[in-house]
Amino acid sequence: SQQGEEDPQALSIQEGENATMNCSYKTSINNLQWYRQNSGRGLVHLILIRSNEREKHSGRLRVTLDTSKKSSSLLITASRAADTASYFCATSYVEYGNKLVFGAGTILRVKS
Amino acid sequence: ETGVTQTPRHLVMGMTNKKSLKCEQHLGHNAMYWYKQSAKKPLELMFVYSLEERVENNSVPSRFSPECPNSSHLFLHLHTLQPEDSALYLCASSQGVRGTDTQYFGPGTRLTVL
Repeated sequence: SQQGEEDPQALSIQEGENATMNCSYKTSINNLQWYRQNSGRGLVHLILIRSNEREKHSGRLRVTLDTSKKSSSLLITASRAADTASYFCATSYVEYGNKLVFGAGTILRVKS
Repeated sequence: ETGVTQTPRHLVMGMTNKKSLKCEQHLGHNAMYWYKQSAKKPLELMFVYSLEERVENNSVPSRFSPECPNSSHLFLHLHTLQPEDSALYLCASSQGVRGTDTQYFGPGTRLTVL
């Protein structure tokens, strides 16, 4: 399977703390995207990082990409209860015609 | 909410029923997707349409039959499903089918097969 693997599977933190989620993948990618899914709803795109980029920011989100380790991390700073959701990484593999392959996700719970 | 709507939001059907899921995108995109999301499993890509032509069929059983009459509408026709087909079915759209294209998801249809 070429699916990305998120780590941890579940994370519970207090409001105001930072949350870090990791994603590992197997082969060369074009880009990696992070999505959020609130319970039982559709996915919402958060951020895309290309294979030649190392770090991107969007508001309270910071994404890093280490192609030598085939891994990415998503950092949410100053978390809020509204950040409670599942977070998925999705990778675009050259050998798979650039289609997106989603990981199993990290369930984040932010307690107020 | 996201420009992609799905109906119905919830569906309960017996194994001998025939039903259809509908997806509509209001974003002017050229590509549409069906995904299956089962509990504790990664999102599974089922079908991809680009400019109304099916470009991907991910070894999906024939009891699932997609239809894309135009670039704004996508259907998933269901026939003689099994209980293990119970899942959240998500529709998505994107400008193109390149890996750099962001996918916009609908809210999903929660399907229960009895």
